[in-house]
Amino acid sequence: RKEVEQDPGPFNVPEGATVAFNCTYSNSASQSFFWYRQDCRKEPKLLMSVYSSGNEDGRFTAQLNRASQYISLLIRDSKLSDSATYLCAVNIGGGADGLTFGKGTHLIIQP
Amino acid sequence: EAQVTQNPRYLITVTGKKLTVTCSQNMNHEYMSWYRQDPGLGLRQIYYSMNVEVTDKGDVPEGYKVSRKEKRNFPLILESPSPNQTSLYFCASSPSGTENQPQHFGDGTRLSIL
Repeated sequence: RKEVEQDPGPFNVPEGATVAFNCTYSNSASQSFFWYRQDCRKEPKLLMSVYSSGNEDGRFTAQLNRASQYISLLIRDSKLSDSATYLCAVNIGGGADGLTFGKGTHLIIQP
Repeated sequence: EAQVTQNPRYLITVTGKKLTVTCSQNMNHEYMSWYRQDPGLGLRQIYYSMNVEVTDKGDVPEGYKVSRKEKRNFPLILESPSPNQTSLYFCASSPSGTENQPQHFGDGTRLSIL
């Protein structure tokens, strides 16, 4: 049983393009959702929280689709520095035991 | 500066030699957690702690121990390390383990058990 799933990629995307990827979760009671960015051999860093109404932070837009149980991350005008692995994190079941992470989607921005 | 500090950052050791990886946070967070990250398997939770003296098993607790005697510290103990515990380990903390609380990660500890 996979609680949080992501397409591992890699996604090879030309610089300047728009790219989007999804993360599905299994428990409809999940309440909290986040996107993290992880560079090779470094710690995951919080990119943005995902709110029910969707939210935007500069070139990044996060959305939640409760009916289909997935969250998405869209990156506009992609930069070389956006190359990284993007992890989604879900508070499965809305419980008090922290976050469950997906395995990550590897993004490569090509010049 | 608000941070989660792990030590050591790198350790090469041998099978059976007890080791401790320390984790300390200076944000007065109640919730702390340990993960290991392996290629193809993602981040897997080892143990977590909701508060002082409260710890619970995560998804892969076998071979590990933790303690939470103080709020700021959450050491990970490998009593008898084995090669299958070679991995990249992360400590993380958040204000609490409940909803809408993102976790902040330490820099990671790369363990090699020979």
